[in-house]
Amino acid sequence: ETGVTQSPTHLIKTRGQQVTLRCSSQSGHNTVSWYQQALGQGPQFIFQYYREEENGRGNFPPRFSGLQFPNYSSELNVNALELDDSALYLCASSLVGQGNTEAFFGQGTRLTVV
Amino acid sequence: GQQVMQIPQYQHVQEGEDFTTYCNSSTTLSNIQWYKQRPGGHPVFLIQLVKSGEVKKQKRLTFQFGEAKKNSSLHITATQTTDVGTYFCAGPGNAGNMLTFGGGTRLMVKP
Repeated sequence: ETGVTQSPTHLIKTRGQQVTLRCSSQSGHNTVSWYQQALGQGPQFIFQYYREEENGRGNFPPRFSGLQFPNYSSELNVNALELDDSALYLCASSLVGQGNTEAFFGQGTRLTVV
Repeated sequence: GQQVMQIPQYQHVQEGEDFTTYCNSSTTLSNIQWYKQRPGGHPVFLIQLVKSGEVKKQKRLTFQFGEAKKNSSLHITATQTTDVGTYFCAGPGNAGNMLTFGGGTRLMVKP
């Protein structure tokens, strides 16, 4: 167990809708990253938050947005859902500043857009 | 931008056979990490390599970081059915503490 929990585990949404995914980071970790993993592919970096500020962003459109809260929990929001947004969304927490950049992943949220 | 590629994409082996997956980066990496994802699961950290030419072992798993720090390999000796899963390499990206993952090698082991 990594101590990183995500909710919900599964979700079905209709094209055009909005979705919010949640992540609770491992205790003591100050950084949370979100990844999108399409079936049969490696995780793709969406963005990262450090001390409640966005600290890096991958090649994803602005309709993907996020928040990190003072307790280091986090949200991923996706607006105007498209069919291609169907994927496993992974949250990963880490402790920046310790040299080791090991990421601890949650179990993911499986999003299906119909 | 940085690209990380892995080969092969899939590998079927008989239980007891060896397995190797190779990882290549388009840029020099400060470190390389390896993760394992079981079917239906999430990536789990295996190891991080930092030094040029570094070799690390974990029981039947041997990890190697190339001299130029642009490639890496994972070798499993005498595979077992518990080794089934997808193995990903990942290097530091351009932003924050992000990771750039390879496409993974899916290992299937026939008992």
